[in-house]
Amino acid sequence: AQSVTQPDIHITVSEGASLELRCNYSYGATPYLFWYVQSPGQGLQLLLKYFSGDTLVQGIKGFEAEFKRSQSSFNLRKPSVHWSDAAEYFCAVGAMNTGNQFYFGTGTSLTVIP
Amino acid sequence: GAGVSQSPSNKVTEKGKDVELRCDPISGHTALYWYRQSLGQGLEFLIYFQGNSAPDKSGLPSDRFSAERTGGSVSTLTIQRTQQEDSAVYLCASSLRQLQETQYFGPGTRLLVL
Repeated sequence: AQSVTQPDIHITVSEGASLELRCNYSYGATPYLFWYVQSPGQGLQLLLKYFSGDTLVQGIKGFEAEFKRSQSSFNLRKPSVHWSDAAEYFCAVGAMNTGNQFYFGTGTSLTVIP
Repeated sequence: GAGVSQSPSNKVTEKGKDVELRCDPISGHTALYWYRQSLGQGLEFLIYFQGNSAPDKSGLPSDRFSAERTGGSVSTLTIQRTQQEDSAVYLCASSLRQLQETQYFGPGTRLLVL
């Protein structure tokens, strides 16, 4: 069965530090992979997505993610975190062979300290 | 243009009552998704519409849940005989076509079943 795992429930980083949020997926074929962000009081917003091609994808707000097939991972990174990045981050996988179902991870809550 | 809208924004109901949640997708978006987000949980996929059709209803938690979409636009999620465990935020998203497209999320309906 398809699944998405975000092993880190909560991460705290200092402003200006680098960030990596982990995401592992279980899927039989090449998945469609997404990272969404949910800021307090805001709706979910797409950060970036991967379907094919270059395994390093760039997103909005300075985020990037790398698809590693061998590790079934799609980790999100940012070189220098800003206080406004504090939010909940969700990794998701889309699976066409299951009727276009979407599977979201349980999310990683990011706290940024000054 | 207008984003995805959902109504009501908040709903408090008594156990055993029926509730209807409404989603207005972005105009022209043929794909529509319903999710449930419970406290401390990720997003749980409920159902996907392509046009007015839902190819896969297996994500609906029980037969008390149903959804329909009319005119390829507005969708309604109905929960019959609500239970306390139905309390959650119900999110709707739409995309231009289907899986590989960016999903645009509404603000959600926060449902509390007393």
